[in-house]
Order: sequence, then structure tokens, then C-alpha cells
Amino acid sequence: ELKVEQNPLFLSMQEGKNYTIYCNYSTTSDRLYWYRQDPGKSLESLFVLLSNGAVKQEGRLMASLDTKARLSTLHITAAVHDLSATYFCAVEGASGSRLTFGEGTQLTVNP
Amino acid sequence: DTAVSQTPKYLVTQMGNDKSIKCEQNLGHDTMYWYKQDSKKFLKIMFSYNNKELIINETVPNRFSPKSPDKAHLNLHINSLELGDSAVYFCASRGQGARVEAFFGQGTRLTVV
Repeated sequence: ELKVEQNPLFLSMQEGKNYTIYCNYSTTSDRLYWYRQDPGKSLESLFVLLSNGAVKQEGRLMASLDTKARLSTLHITAAVHDLSATYFCAVEGASGSRLTFGEGTQLTVNP
Repeated sequence: DTAVSQTPKYLVTQMGNDKSIKCEQNLGHDTMYWYKQDSKKFLKIMFSYNNKELIINETVPNRFSPKSPDKAHLNLHINSLELGDSAVYFCASRGQGARVEAFFGQGTRLTVV
């Protein structure tokens, strides 16, 4: 059974600082997705990573995938308050039919 | 136009009642899902349909029954509601094949009292 673990689960950081969220998964996959969820809202797709070494950047967020280490990272550069949200990684299993989500990382950016 | 829409957004009901949540997507996707998000925000897949056929049925009580009248709709009916069913239920859809992201509805917050 595919297991996906995120670290940390809670992250409080100051504006202007950098930090990285980690997503580890237990079985071979080269398809990983990052989502953002604001309180009381839906999940918004951020990044789609489909190969080993894939790197995607959007604004202050950068995601990468290392399929050999079964690890994805979401790097936050010079955080701003608007980035406060819960971030989920999701891994696609071998069958391609389901996404298994990590526990989510609740990010709070303080002024 | 909302790509994946669920109704209702909020649902408060008493234990023992039967309720339904409806989901519609206008993206032309073949695959639709129901996910449950608990109070700790953990997302767990419940069901998946591909072109009206059930392809994933996780360990979910029989009281939960999905129905897909066509590939644009996936409804969730829940019988004999229990307190533990309180959660946010998300519908999602996905295009054909792997390697594409899923798009989520706004969620239905179900509260059983």
C-alpha cells in the first residue's frame, strides 16, 4: 500500500524567510502533485511533477521530484503572509487510477 | 463556470437520517472521485468512477453508495448517518490517463448531530 508522509505537519515562519516542506512516499512512482488548500476552501493544483529531476517554479514556490529517493520538496522563498495555507502532496500509484495524499503541512507566515 | 460543483455546500442532519451529495463536472473528464477530509485535514479516497464504472471502492461502510448516472455526474448517498460521518466530502475529476492533476469541487461540510 502506498504511503505518503509530509514533514513538517505544522510550520510557522516569519515573512521574508525561506523554508522547505518534504514529501516522502513508500513505493515507486514518477508522478507527484502539489496542492494548496485555504481554510474552508477547495484544493487548488500548484504543481505537476512527472519525471525524476523535475523542477517547477511559480512565484515564491518551487517544487522538485527525486524518484530514486522517493522524495519531493516544496521550497518557499522569502515567504509572505499570502502563502499561509495547508499544502498537500499527492502521489499517483502504479495503476494510475488514484492519488494518495500526504497529511498536509499547515503553513502560517507571520508578519 | 465552476468546473467541479457540489451541492449542498453545508449539510447538517440528525443521526439516522439519509442524505445525498451531488457532484457535476463540466470539464469533459472521464474519471471522478469522492474523497473524505476529516477534522485533521487528512484526505482519504472513498470511490472512483471511470466513465460511469466503479473502479475504486475503498473500505467504506455499505451505508455509503455512489451513483454515476453519466460521466459528468457522481453522487454520494449516505444511509443511516452516524456521528463519525461528520467531515468534509470532496468530489474531484480527472482527465483521461495518468499524469494529469485532479480538479476538486468546493467540498460539502457534513455535520451529523
